[in-house]
Amino acid sequence: AAGVIQSPRHLIKEKRETATLKCYPIPRHDTVYWYQQGPGQDPQFLISFYEKMQSDKGSIPDRFSAQQFSDYHSELNMSSLELGDSALYFCASTRAAVSSNYGYTFGSGTRLTVV
Amino acid sequence: RKEVEQDPGPFNVPEGATVAFNCTYSNSASQSFFWYRQDCRKEPKLLMSVYSSGNEDGRFTAQLNRASQYISLLIRDSKLSDSATYLCAVNPKDSSYKLIFGSGTRLLVRP
Repeated sequence: AAGVIQSPRHLIKEKRETATLKCYPIPRHDTVYWYQQGPGQDPQFLISFYEKMQSDKGSIPDRFSAQQFSDYHSELNMSSLELGDSALYFCASTRAAVSSNYGYTFGSGTRLTVV
Repeated sequence: RKEVEQDPGPFNVPEGATVAFNCTYSNSASQSFFWYRQDCRKEPKLLMSVYSSGNEDGRFTAQLNRASQYISLLIRDSKLSDSATYLCAVNPKDSSYKLIFGSGTRLLVRP
C-alpha cells in the first residue's frame, strides 16, 4: 500500500541557509500535518492543511512557511536556519472524515542537520 | 503543565512480563485517543486507537478513563521486539484533528 512519502530523507544545511521539505500524502488523503521532533523530544505540531487551505497552526516559527498544492502534496519552507532547527521533520496524512477514529499515518521523516 | 503527559521510563522488563503505561491529558474535551510506537530515529507508527469501552488487539489492551482523564496501554507476554518508545496521542477536539503527543515511555524488554 502507498505510504506518505517525504523527501529528502537527510539534509545538511549551514546556518542562515534555506531548506525545503516535501511531503506526498497517501492517495485520496485530504489533510496533511507537519511535526518537528528534536532529539529525545515528542513530536511537536507545526501546521496542518485541509483541502489546500491551512487548517491549524502550532508552534511554527515565523521563519517557516508551508503550503499544500493542487495535487495535495505539501512543502515546508524554512529560512534563516538556526542550529536549533536540527530535528526530524515528519509529515502525516489522513482523510479528515475518518481521522478521529483512525489517527493518521506518518512519513519516514526528513532529518535536518544545521551546521 | 504539558497537555499530554507520560512517564518517560525506561521500563526494563524481562521477556514474557506484563507491562502497563499510563498517559494523562489535561483537556477534558479531548475526543480521540491513540497509542503510537516509535523505534529509534524512525517515524511514529499507529499501534491502536483507544475507545471508551476499551479495546484489545492481540497482546495489547488499551483503556480510556474519561473521568480521570487518562489512557492506558497494557502489553502482555512482552517480546524483545516490543522494545520501543510508546507515545500516546490525543486530539483536543478541534476542527483540524491534529494530535498532541506525549513525550513517550521507553520500554526495554530483556532476554
